[in-house]
Amino acid sequence: GQNIDQPTEMTATEGAIVQINCTYQTSGFNGLFWYQQHAGEAPTFLSYNVLDGLEEKGRFSSFLSRSKGYSYLLLKELQMKDSASYLCAVTDSNYQLIWGAGTKLIIKP
Amino acid sequence: GAVVSQHPSRVICKSGTSVKIECRSLDFQATTMFWYRQFPKKSLMLMATSNEGSKATYEQGVEKDKFLINHASLTLSTLTVTSAHPEDSSFYICSAVTGDRGYNEQFFGPGTRLTVL
Repeated sequence: GQNIDQPTEMTATEGAIVQINCTYQTSGFNGLFWYQQHAGEAPTFLSYNVLDGLEEKGRFSSFLSRSKGYSYLLLKELQMKDSASYLCAVTDSNYQLIWGAGTKLIIKP
Repeated sequence: GAVVSQHPSRVICKSGTSVKIECRSLDFQATTMFWYRQFPKKSLMLMATSNEGSKATYEQGVEKDKFLINHASLTLSTLTVTSAHPEDSSFYICSAVTGDRGYNEQFFGPGTRLTVL
């Protein structure tokens, strides 16, 4: 079966750094997405990785290791507005998007 | 660019009535649209994939006669929840793919919160 695992909830302090991990087992791989979703709102796109390595975009970075079936989202200089759920999603060989359950990130002052 | 709208944003209806939700791609043509539902504190659950001019492909366990999907044009897809019941209360989100990117990034609508009394 297809499976994506990420922690259910994480807590971090404002101004700090947090890493949210995602491991996946899918039938084929055509890219991995990270989305941010605030409560009661639709997801918004953060990043896309299809090759191994680190993609940096401002305070957010995303890393991918295809051989390990592993990705992480790194958030630096955390702000209160970063409190949200972070969804990892993988595109399989049929280009279907397989979603993780999401990681709820709580930022404390 | 790549804006997706949904209407209505919230709807409250009585049990047994039908509710139609519209999903529009405002500044691009969407070859494919997706319909999701999301329960509180749960991840997105794909209900169906909608391609313009053809029948929608429903995920296992989703009743096609209850959740009617019509993709009438390259910018509009509708989801009709027929004979709604309280257990259909949920957050319904649509997304669209432009088809002109190297990867299939999905652009999401703002969602529709359905409450069935």
